[in-house]
Amino acid sequence: GAVVSQHPSWVICKSGTSVKIECRSLDFQATTMFWYRQFPKQSLMLMATSNEGSKATYEQGVEKDKFLINHASLTLSTLTVTSAHPEDSSFYICSARVSSGANVLTFGAGSRLTVL
Amino acid sequence: AQTVTQSQPEMSVQEAETVTLSCTYDTSESDYYLFWYKQPPSRQMILVIRQEAYKQQNATENRFSVNFQKAAKSFSLKISDSQLGDAAMYFCAYRAGTYKYIFGTGTRLKVLA
Repeated sequence: GAVVSQHPSWVICKSGTSVKIECRSLDFQATTMFWYRQFPKQSLMLMATSNEGSKATYEQGVEKDKFLINHASLTLSTLTVTSAHPEDSSFYICSARVSSGANVLTFGAGSRLTVL
Repeated sequence: AQTVTQSQPEMSVQEAETVTLSCTYDTSESDYYLFWYKQPPSRQMILVIRQEAYKQQNATENRFSVNFQKAAKSFSLKISDSQLGDAAMYFCAYRAGTYKYIFGTGTRLKVLA
């Protein structure tokens, strides 16, 4: 089945630095990927839709200059948290849909970011 | 705007028993999809079952089945013969048109041995 790999699974960084999280579709091409944020014991909040070869579409209230998304190929999307602050600490999850038109998303295992 | 509501923050079930998790949604769309996802302690989201709104027949996947009431905008998940491995957070999700999913707040299921 379709597999999405997310890396790193956890990362600790200092306040003010930038962190990049990768999301790869391992055995299928993904024209569209989605980035979610999940706070402890809460639901998934869609941050942005990542489209291969074009700019990402951000949800209302999500700072596009803070959360840079790049989808340079059909198998890789990256989320860069720029100038990270402690309030950016969270669990970030990516998902992808198979470009053949399947009606479900496949999720990565998530990345836990802790900003000191 | 579409919304998904899960009114049960936490549920418990005895091993081998049956439990039903509730989900209601609000939409003006006629064509959409509904899903139940499981998130175990590993945090990996796993698709449990899905339902296309145009299908009247309730979806079934082994021990998991849904009760889809389109007019009532209700989409409950029934887990039969509950197993310890079923313990997890369960999220109801809605999708229409684009692949933007809207998730409910989740129900934590505890399975008692």
